[in-house]
Amino acid sequence: AQSVAQPEDQVNVAEGNPLTVKCTYSVSGNPYLFWYVQYPNRGLQFLLKYITGDNLVKGSYGFEAEFNKSQTSFHLKKPSALVSDSALYFCAVKLLGNTPLVFGKGTRLSVIA
Amino acid sequence: GAVVSQHPSRVICKSGTSVKIECRSLDFQATTMFWYRQFPKQSLMLMATSNEGSKATYEQGVEKDKFLINHASLTLSTLTVTSAHPEDSSFYICSARGGGQAYNEQFFGPGTRLTVL
Repeated sequence: AQSVAQPEDQVNVAEGNPLTVKCTYSVSGNPYLFWYVQYPNRGLQFLLKYITGDNLVKGSYGFEAEFNKSQTSFHLKKPSALVSDSALYFCAVKLLGNTPLVFGKGTRLSVIA
Repeated sequence: GAVVSQHPSRVICKSGTSVKIECRSLDFQATTMFWYRQFPKQSLMLMATSNEGSKATYEQGVEKDKFLINHASLTLSTLTVTSAHPEDSSFYICSARGGGQAYNEQFFGPGTRLTVL
């Protein structure tokens, strides 16, 4: 069975500073990895995904993530945080085939002006 | 990208009544739909997976007689919460997936906030 761990419940960062939201995964096979963002009372918005190819994936709103197979990690990063980036971020993993996404517990990001 | 809609966005009902939530894929055919439940400040919990024309597969601990899922067409799935109780109050999110190149991507609806009084 696959699982996702987001070790931080909350990440605080000053506006303009780089941010990192951590994610590690456990799967028995090649993982497909995703990041989603959720604003209050809203559904999930897709940020980026890793399926295959380059380990560094660039996504929406200036976010990127690096797939690290040896560390089984897929941390989300952004060089310069904005106050509007404050939201709940979810890492998710799935396997090939008709399998659902499995989500981490989420990390709340607060960007302080 | 692909668009998934949910209706209603918010619903308030009395205890004991049933509530139906619709999930539609607007610009693609959703061969598989998923229903998630999210409690405040918690992650999404998968409730069930449904393939068009087949019975839904429920996750362990989810009552199939309470949460009725119908996926009658490639663009519509419904979740009916039967005899709702206050503990069923939650944020319900549907997700849809198509075939072909989109096979590994899930697209999410905006969610439905259910409040049972």
